[in-house]
Amino acid sequence: AQSVTQLGSHVSVSEGALVLLRCNYSSSVPPYLFWYVQYPNQGLQLLLKYTTGATLVKGINGFEAEFKKSETSFHLTKPSAHMSDAAEYFCAVRAGWGGSARQLTFGSGTQLTVLP
Amino acid sequence: GAVVSQHPSRVICKSGTSVKIECRSLDFQATTMFWYRQFPKKSLMLMATSNEGSKATYEQGVEKDKFLINHASLTLSTLTVTSAHPEDSSFYICSAPVPSSGRARVYEQYFGPGTRLTVT
Repeated sequence: AQSVTQLGSHVSVSEGALVLLRCNYSSSVPPYLFWYVQYPNQGLQLLLKYTTGATLVKGINGFEAEFKKSETSFHLTKPSAHMSDAAEYFCAVRAGWGGSARQLTFGSGTQLTVLP
Repeated sequence: GAVVSQHPSRVICKSGTSVKIECRSLDFQATTMFWYRQFPKKSLMLMATSNEGSKATYEQGVEKDKFLINHASLTLSTLTVTSAHPEDSSFYICSAPVPSSGRARVYEQYFGPGTRLTVT
């Protein structure tokens, strides 16, 4: 079975500071990992994904994440936070093989607050 | 990228009535769609998998007779909340998996904008 743990339900950073959102996963199949962002009363938007290949993946809005198999982690970072980055962030892993590959298992989410 | 729409974006209904939420894939065909429920400040809870032309697959603990799902075409899935009660008030989100370009068996989920249901 697959699971995702996001450490820290709330993270606050100052504008211009480094953003680090933590995600650890457990997967019985080679993990495909995703980060999504959700703004209030909206659906989820894909930030970036890792499937295979390069372990450092770059996404939209200046975000990137590094897949570390030995640590079973996929932390999301951004060098300099903007006020517009304030949102809920979800880490997810594909649910399995075959038909389950279409599904995602989500973490509990991290609310990012950016302070002026 | 692929676009998924939901309608309505917000709905308020009286207790005991039924509400239908539509999820459409606008520029692609979706044989499968997922319905999620999200409580305030909580993660997404998968309710059911909607399959075109066949019965939906419900997650454990989700009442099939209360949350009716119909996937009558390759671009439309509907979720009907029957005899709604205040505890059904929530944010409902649908998504559709789309094969990622160039990668076999890698799917990206495209999410609808969500529907805020309030039952009074």
